[in-house]
Amino acid sequence: GAVVSQHPSRVICKSGTSVKIECRSLDFQATTMFWYRQFPKQSLMLMATSNEGSKATYEQGVEKDKFLINHASLTLSTLTVTSAHPEDSSFYICSARTGGNLAGGLETQYFGPGTRLLVL
Amino acid sequence: QQQVKQSPQSLIVQKGGISIINCAYENTAFDYFPWYQQFPGKGPALLIAIRPDVSEKKEGRFTISFNKSAKQFSLHIMDSQPGDSATYFCAASPGYSTLTFGKGTMLLVSP
Repeated sequence: GAVVSQHPSRVICKSGTSVKIECRSLDFQATTMFWYRQFPKQSLMLMATSNEGSKATYEQGVEKDKFLINHASLTLSTLTVTSAHPEDSSFYICSARTGGNLAGGLETQYFGPGTRLLVL
Repeated sequence: QQQVKQSPQSLIVQKGGISIINCAYENTAFDYFPWYQQFPGKGPALLIAIRPDVSEKKEGRFTISFNKSAKQFSLHIMDSQPGDSATYFCAASPGYSTLTFGKGTMLLVSP
């Protein structure tokens, strides 16, 4: 199946600093990538949809100036948490959507392994 | 408003048994229904997915049953194994739009 990587897998930072998380589709091109946030024992919460070459679409309640998303190429999207605070500590997961020719005729989303962010 | 309702919240099944997780949806525009498996500290992994033109899809020990009129779909895990212990999420989307996830089911398969 399609492989999506994330880097770093975990990061600890001080309050007030910015953290960048990379999401890459390794063996396919993804015109659309998604960023999710997940709290312990909860479902995935969509933060934003990222389309290559255009501005991200943020879900209601997600601060676009705090969570900067850049989708510069068909295989890379980045999420930057600016001026991070302890309440931003969470598990951040990206996903990339394939074309139908890769998934046996079905477009589908493949998820990265996630990034654990801890803000002290 | 939760658009995809998933049940049960947690499930304990004996090794070799059948695990059944159910989801119901309201939005009739949904036409893509994937199931994801997530282990602690990992991202969700696509297990199996179905479109409404079929009522059942089987891949190995995993089967999706789909009832369009009832707006329900379920995941059956046959011959459940301890390694299947994970959290399972159903999801749905209209076309190739964004996925709406259920709240998840924590499955524990006892040895």
